[in-house]
Amino acid sequence: QVQLVESGGGVVQPGGSLRLSCAASGFTFSSYGMHWVRQAPGKGLEWVAFIRYDGSNKYYADSVKGRFTISRDNSKNTLYLQMNSLRAEDTAVYYCAKDTFAYGSGSFFDYWGQGTLVTVSS
Amino acid sequence: VIWMTQSPSLLSASTGDRVTISCRMSQGISSYLAWYQQKPGKAPELLIYAASTLQSGVPSRFSGSGSGTDFTLTISCLQSEDFATYYCQQYYSFPRTFGQGTKLEIK
Repeated sequence: QVQLVESGGGVVQPGGSLRLSCAASGFTFSSYGMHWVRQAPGKGLEWVAFIRYDGSNKYYADSVKGRFTISRDNSKNTLYLQMNSLRAEDTAVYYCAKDTFAYGSGSFFDYWGQGTLVTVSS
Repeated sequence: VIWMTQSPSLLSASTGDRVTISCRMSQGISSYLAWYQQKPGKAPELLIYAASTLQSGVPSRFSGSGSGTDFTLTISCLQSEDFATYYCQQYYSFPRTFGQGTKLEIK
């Protein structure tokens, strides 16, 4: 069965950096695009970034462009999110989510991880 | 950016009721719309994609309709496990965007 397990969350000071990981299993990771989606405490869902199955294309929300970098290691079945210049408004639960279609250009999310909490505070 | 207006933000209903949630786009997206259900402390779950296609395993009391700019999620005969928050999401263009969410609570 598909499993997505995020890690790397924690408390970081404003201006700091953090790298999130998402370990995938139960499907052919190298065939699917992957997304990061976040949810601030008590708020709605916000899409953050997408990477194609082979890493050839990446897209970002305007709110994180230039500060966050999505990447993947298909040999390790792992997705990453490098977050730099963190701000208080980046405080959220970060979910990794699997795109539905193999070899696609990014659509909707059929499986989600349990999420990892990032808190940006001094 | 495609902006989405989801309404209502809060919906009170009783078990057995039929409810509808609306999602309106700032521009046409054909049928590139998905719906998710989220329960407290849990990750969202996919309910419907392509505006009206039920994800495998989702009960048939859930249905979706619409195309272009106006979409609807309908839950017929509410069950206790349906009280949750619902989100629409467009996948017509980047950045992907979600509606603000509709919290369905017990009346």
